[in-house]
Amino acid sequence: NAGVMQNPRHLVRRRGQEARLRCSPMKGHSHVYWYRQLPEEGLKFMVYLQKENIIDESGMPKERFSAEFPKEGPSILRIQQVVRGDSAAYFCASSLIRGVLNTEAFFGQGTRLTVV
Amino acid sequence: TQLLEQSPQFLSIQEGENLTVYCNSSSVFSSLQWYRQEPGEGPVLLVTVVTGGEVKKLKRLTFQFGDARKDSSLHITAAQPGDTGLYLCAGALGLAGTASKLTFGTGTRLQVTL
Repeated sequence: NAGVMQNPRHLVRRRGQEARLRCSPMKGHSHVYWYRQLPEEGLKFMVYLQKENIIDESGMPKERFSAEFPKEGPSILRIQQVVRGDSAAYFCASSLIRGVLNTEAFFGQGTRLTVV
Repeated sequence: TQLLEQSPQFLSIQEGENLTVYCNSSSVFSSLQWYRQEPGEGPVLLVTVVTGGEVKKLKRLTFQFGDARKDSSLHITAAQPGDTGLYLCAGALGLAGTASKLTFGTGTRLQVTL
C-alpha cells in the first residue's frame, strides 16, 4: 500500500510565477490536509479537503493560494504570483475515518518550494 | 489559536541515557499524535493516544496522555543514535468520529551521540 505521494519533491519558481503542488493520498483515504513548514518553524495547518469539497480553509492565506481535491486525480495546492516569503516545505497528509483513530494522519515527503 | 508547547526545544544526550519530552496545552484534545521528522523528510507517525491517562509503548518509547487530555509525554529509554530527529506532538480537536486538522507543537530536536 503506497504511502502519501507528493510531487515534485523540489520546485524552484521565480517571483510572480505559479506553483502547483500535487498530492495523491494513501489508497482508500478520502481526507486530505495541507500543511506548511517554514524554515526553523513548526507545521501550520492550511486547508482540509474531502473529495470535491473544501471542509476547512482557515489556515489558507486569503490571496494567491487555492486548493482542490477533484473526484478523480490528486489534490492540488496552487500558489499564484509567488513571492520569496512563500518559500517553505509544503506537506500533504491523508486520513481515513475508522472509529476513534479517525484523526491518524499520514504525511508525504513534502514539496520544498524555493522562490528566487 | 490553540498552542501546543513542547519542552525542551533542544536536547543533546549520549547513547544509553534516558529522556522525556513534554507536550502541554491549555486546550483539551480528542486525540494526540506523536511524530518524528528527519531532515528533508515528512513527519512519520509514531503513535496516537485517545483516552485520558492512556499509556502506549513502542519498543523503547513510552507515550502517555494526560488524564485531562491536555498534555502528553514521550519517554525514551536507553537512547540510540537512530533516535536522533525532530519530535512533534500534534493534537486533534475534532469530535470522535470526525476527521479534523492537527495543531502541531513547537517541536523537540533530539541529538543522540555515541
